[in-house]
Amino acid sequence: EAGVAQSPRYKIIEKRQSVAFWCNPISGHATLYWYQQILGQGPKLLIQFQNNGVVDDSQLPKDRFSAERLKGVDSTLKIQPAKLEDSAVYLCASSFGTGVNTEAFFGQGTRLTVV
Amino acid sequence: AQRVTQPEKLLSVFKGAPVELKCNYSYSGSPELFWYVQYSRQRLQLLLRHISRESIKGFTADLNKGETSFHLKKPFAQEEDSAMYYCALSSSSGGYNKLIFGAGTRLAVHP
Repeated sequence: EAGVAQSPRYKIIEKRQSVAFWCNPISGHATLYWYQQILGQGPKLLIQFQNNGVVDDSQLPKDRFSAERLKGVDSTLKIQPAKLEDSAVYLCASSFGTGVNTEAFFGQGTRLTVV
Repeated sequence: AQRVTQPEKLLSVFKGAPVELKCNYSYSGSPELFWYVQYSRQRLQLLLRHISRESIKGFTADLNKGETSFHLKKPFAQEEDSAMYYCALSSSSGGYNKLIFGAGTRLAVHP
């Protein structure tokens, strides 16, 4: 079934290197989210897009993390330079709208290991 | 502060036993709450939402505003219920809503 697609599934990098993740949301979904899930914790919202505009990036470490959604569809999340504490699963999700009861659909995630 | 607390990291029960996964929240407005589930090797997905007042796969959850809780219950657990369960709160800011997740509880149902 068509769902939120993410790549790569796994990535291992050394600290201070850069890395990028890609997400393709469900067709027609205007809202896109990037979450960080550290082992043993729940997903934490990093950034939320409405079409190609950012509506919430309050928890994004902007000194090293960046994200874009240029055409309001696909999105990339970049980390430069990576730190050991960035090791986590990065989840992309999308939703049709932003209503209070809107369901978010998640991708499989990218597991990042920083060594 | 807006927060979701799931006090149990692991809940282990036998098949046929009742299950209650605890969730407490902190939110200044009128809360909208969800339960998401992640089965082994599958993606995170919605199980149920407070406003629907529905039963999904035998699970129900009642919002208790007095106790600020949204516990997930099932009278008779099945082995296929084994999964990670996340309670989430929809938080409104600047006209947009975002989900705040708890740390999750792993449910293990033994035969």
